[in-house]
Amino acid sequence: RKEVEQDPGPFNVPEGATVAFNCTYSNSASQSFFWYRQDCRKEPKLLMSVYSSGNEDGRFTAQLNRASQYISLLIRDSKLSDSATYLCVVNPRGYQKVTFGTGTKLQVIP
Amino acid sequence: SAVISQKPSRDICQRGTSLTIQCQVDSQVTMMFWYRQQPGQSLTLIATANQGSEATYESGFVIDKFPISRPNLTFSTLTVSNMSPEDSSIYLCSVGFGSNEKLFFGSGTQLSVL
Repeated sequence: RKEVEQDPGPFNVPEGATVAFNCTYSNSASQSFFWYRQDCRKEPKLLMSVYSSGNEDGRFTAQLNRASQYISLLIRDSKLSDSATYLCVVNPRGYQKVTFGTGTKLQVIP
Repeated sequence: SAVISQKPSRDICQRGTSLTIQCQVDSQVTMMFWYRQQPGQSLTLIATANQGSEATYESGFVIDKFPISRPNLTFSTLTVSNMSPEDSSIYLCSVGFGSNEKLFFGSGTQLSVL
């Protein structure tokens, strides 16, 4: 089993739709969780951290389920500018152990 | 966060040559890393660039192939030596701050080896 698994997509959704991605991780000792956004041929950029209590930033909501070892990202009212690849990032402990998922590609269609 | 300048942004190189990538940060950082992202794949950590000492390499990466310098807390270089087409990839420098373990990335170097 991969350390971090994501559905590669692509998820093709119309503008205004709500879309959700899940990411599963294998190391139950993982401590920190993040979602990054990566545009084509660009560097990954931190979108948000993921906390056990769940957290929201505008149209984006992230959730962590430690029991089932997955994190999720919900995007409401999708915009064309949301089109990108979303990387799930898991850190058991220490920067050197940070593990990136292969990403889920989102395409928002007019 | 920080402003991380990486150059070159892209290069096309001949087999057998070497390329040095530079990473400059606008503030002092303790943790600096070099990653590789091959086409269609996720990021893989090459090494941790340690200030004033030899870099710490991950499994599958060696100093002879990827020598790294870190002369101070704001600058690092990664050299891709004796390149082959398999080295074609995006190379990214990254910095981490404090204990929250968030990583921030330079704009990347798109390397193509012919």
